Amino acid sequence: GAVVSQHPSWVICKSGTSVKIECRSLDFQATTMFWYRQFPKQSLMLMATSNEGSKATYEQGVEKDKFLINHASLTLSTLTVTSAHPEDSSFYICSARRLAGGLVETQYFGPGTRLLVL
Amino acid sequence: AQKVTQAQTEISVVEKEDVTLDCVYETRDTTYYLFWYKQPPSGELVFLIRRNSFDEQNEISGRYSWNFQKSTSSFNFTITASQVVDSAVYFCALYVIQGAQKLVFGQGTRLTINP
Repeated sequence: GAVVSQHPSWVICKSGTSVKIECRSLDFQATTMFWYRQFPKQSLMLMATSNEGSKATYEQGVEKDKFLINHASLTLSTLTVTSAHPEDSSFYICSARRLAGGLVETQYFGPGTRLLVL
Repeated sequence: AQKVTQAQTEISVVEKEDVTLDCVYETRDTTYYLFWYKQPPSGELVFLIRRNSFDEQNEISGRYSWNFQKSTSSFNFTITASQVVDSAVYFCALYVIQGAQKLVFGQGTRLTINP
């Protein structure tokens, strides 16, 4: 199967600190990774799309200096929430997709990271 | 523009009942993919099915079945003989080949199966 892992699963931090979340595709190479944010009882909100070796594409309204995304390899993407504030508290989910021969493949999701900023 | 509508915000049924989750999508493109994902209380989205726009065959997988009808732009999901473990939020999503190339999610349907 296609497995995506995220670390950490839970993080509690003080306001003003930075938090890094890792997303790994364990058994496939992900040319594209996505970062989502989900508020309680709401749908997933796409924050940004990252392609390996290039800069991430951010959705409208998402501060790229606030949410730093790095996709350094075909199996690893990181999201850093810089100078976190209580309003950044949320459930962050990464997703990985591979393209094979130009065909669209399924997006697989990580287990999510719950961030609580005090 | 692409849009997915899951009109049922919450559904509650008693175990062993059949339940259908509705999904209606909007797109002007002819080539697209439709997905269903399950999000249990743990939070992780679990992939259930992917269907491309050229394949209107209905699919059955155990107690799960999907009815894809292009004429009504719907991709409904039915759980037969529901079980408590089916309790989760279910998301329908659309992916269009042209354009932004990203998943567009519906708002989700929270399904509660009561014993």
